[in-house]
Amino acid sequence: GAGVSQSPRYKVTKRGQDVALRCDPISGHVSLYWYRQALGQGPEFLTYFNYEAQQDKSGLPNDRFSAERPEGSISTLTIQRTEQRDSAMYRCASSLVGRTEAFFGQGTRLTVV
Amino acid sequence: AQSVTQLGSHVSVSEGALVLLRCNYSSSVPPYLFWYVQYPNQGLQLLLKYTSAATLVKGINGFEAEFKKSETSFHLTKPSAHMSDAAEYFCAVSVSSNDYKLSFGAGTTVTVRA
Repeated sequence: GAGVSQSPRYKVTKRGQDVALRCDPISGHVSLYWYRQALGQGPEFLTYFNYEAQQDKSGLPNDRFSAERPEGSISTLTIQRTEQRDSAMYRCASSLVGRTEAFFGQGTRLTVV
Repeated sequence: AQSVTQLGSHVSVSEGALVLLRCNYSSSVPPYLFWYVQYPNQGLQLLLKYTSAATLVKGINGFEAEFKKSETSFHLTKPSAHMSDAAEYFCAVSVSSNDYKLSFGAGTTVTVRA
């Protein structure tokens, strides 16, 4: 596609429910990143992939958060048993391998009620 | 570990006036530094980046930033503000040359007065 696409754009879920956030990177981009941005804060690194391999998951806050990219393209960030503190904008970015520019999607606004 | 601090969460400037956004970094190794802009309902867009080449970096839309190691700063400037510059700006740092695992500042919102 023309840019990084994230879906849904907005998600409201009840506390305790599981949610899956999707990221479709720019075609051909090897690296894919997930960030979380709380209101009034800058984005915070969660995890990233090169192809299908998860290279770094040090930013995932706890074991309720997981991510996968099984075919090296689309990625899913899953949050189990959501809590109100999980409410944030979740941003995905993709890049060619290495330190070429990373392009960010518009994000998914998650609200846990 | 590395981090950035952006001084001032809100900046208001008159159209045609200088825009100055401050960013100080902390890093135990030579850093790579970035400025991103976020317009409403859009993704983050790279304005410019410093990767240890020239200390004065020119970016898009007339913005530039100067890396000053002695001051651990990477302030963003634009000589003359336009209404279209109203947005949120983020400074970010990385210590890797191979990925975009970035540490972002809290952001500075710029408003431009006519």
